[in-house]
Amino acid sequence: DQQVKQNSPSLSVQEGRISILNCDYTNSMFDYFLWYKKYPAEGPTFLISISSIKDKNEDGRFTVFLNKSAKHLSLHIVPSQPGDSAVYFCAANVITGTASKLTFGTGTRLQVTL
Amino acid sequence: GAGVSQSPRYKVAKRGQDVALRCDPISGHVSLFWYQQALGQGPEFLTYFQNEAQLDKSGLPSDRFFAERPEGSVSTLKIQRTQQEDSAVYLCASRFRGDTQYFGPGTRLTVL
Repeated sequence: DQQVKQNSPSLSVQEGRISILNCDYTNSMFDYFLWYKKYPAEGPTFLISISSIKDKNEDGRFTVFLNKSAKHLSLHIVPSQPGDSAVYFCAANVITGTASKLTFGTGTRLQVTL
Repeated sequence: GAGVSQSPRYKVAKRGQDVALRCDPISGHVSLFWYQQALGQGPEFLTYFQNEAQLDKSGLPSDRFFAERPEGSVSTLKIQRTQQEDSAVYLCASRFRGDTQYFGPGTRLTVL
């Protein structure tokens, strides 16, 4: 049962354009969402997060939008740069007692072309 | 160092061998997590420590997997009698407070 889904395994965008990566979730108990970026042979690097009490969070070129009623979030990168080419993982947080484990999607590979 | 470090970065084991994977969290981070990432998948939760206490081990796939963090800092993930399906990247993450976990580079385990 995949609780966090990234239905697009890959995305190609031209440099300077907007990249939009999507993520859907099924567990209504999730209350914190994160995006990680991963280069080959490296661990995931934290990018941006959003609490369920908000619907938007912005950090420079990166904006995350949350639509709780649709159980959907998206990451916008504008303008896209070649260095943004990586695999992007959406993750959601389940707080059960003192634990706070992350549930990840399967990732979307973004390629930013010149 | 400033980030989470893991060793070894790569490990090749023959089926049936025991392996030990080490994680050095960011200094001062009380929470430590282990995840397993299979090829083409996202990381999957294995276990969680708060200081030296293992508070959640619900993701460990079998009793061949064992994790410890005896002094509340460095952690070791041990896999006994490795099998081919154990081949994956094992990621360690640490957290000070809040909900952001910071990941190490991972250990790629290949079981032949």
